[in-house]
Amino acid sequence: EIVLTQSPGTLSLSPGERATLSCRASQTLSSYIAWYQQKPGQAPRLLIYGVSTRATGIPDRFSGSGSGTDFTLTISTLEPEDFAVYYCQEYGSSPRTFGQGTKVEIK
Amino acid sequence: QVQLQESGPGLVKPSETLSLTCTVSGGSMTNYYWSWIRQPPGKGLEWIGYIFYTGTAVYNPSLRSRVDISVDTSKNQFSLKVTSVTAADTAVYYCLRHLAVAGPKPFDLWGQGTMVTVSS
Repeated sequence: EIVLTQSPGTLSLSPGERATLSCRASQTLSSYIAWYQQKPGQAPRLLIYGVSTRATGIPDRFSGSGSGTDFTLTISTLEPEDFAVYYCQEYGSSPRTFGQGTKVEIK
Repeated sequence: QVQLQESGPGLVKPSETLSLTCTVSGGSMTNYYWSWIRQPPGKGLEWIGYIFYTGTAVYNPSLRSRVDISVDTSKNQFSLKVTSVTAADTAVYYCLRHLAVAGPKPFDLWGQGTMVTVSS
């Protein structure tokens, strides 16, 4: 089973700042990495798949990058609605696994 | 616009079977993969398993002995059963659809989730 470790656990930033979220895998991965956003009381929403492809309707301030064991989600300029928990996911193998999440909170 | 809606009991007794149904509205189940995921209160996401519209299912090895996922395309529904539940099975359960892309697929459409508590 692939283990995904996200860091930091919590990121305290102000609107307008840049957010950089990390996801490290326990073994080398192919390009089947996705990122999801979850707000309180809501289901997660797909942001990025295939490491760097934005899902339909996702603004271009969200971008994904990485290869091998290290992957990154970047939010170029935080909007008020971006404060949430973000999960990375590996979906190329079984079982599908998620990171433990990074909370982006308002500083 | 396709929507997913989970339904089933919100309270299940220990050792009994948890049963949930996901109803797909506004679209067809054909050619899609469908999954169940759960999230214990205040914790992260755990993938339970997926099923193709033809009925082929794959499960998380950690749950395989207790889980069954089935599909009924005539009703536009798929279902989850978890047997011998304990308090550790208390969670919000989400049904979801896999994105229609070639190769392995992320999850692009989620139900709102339903809270299931295991307690006597």
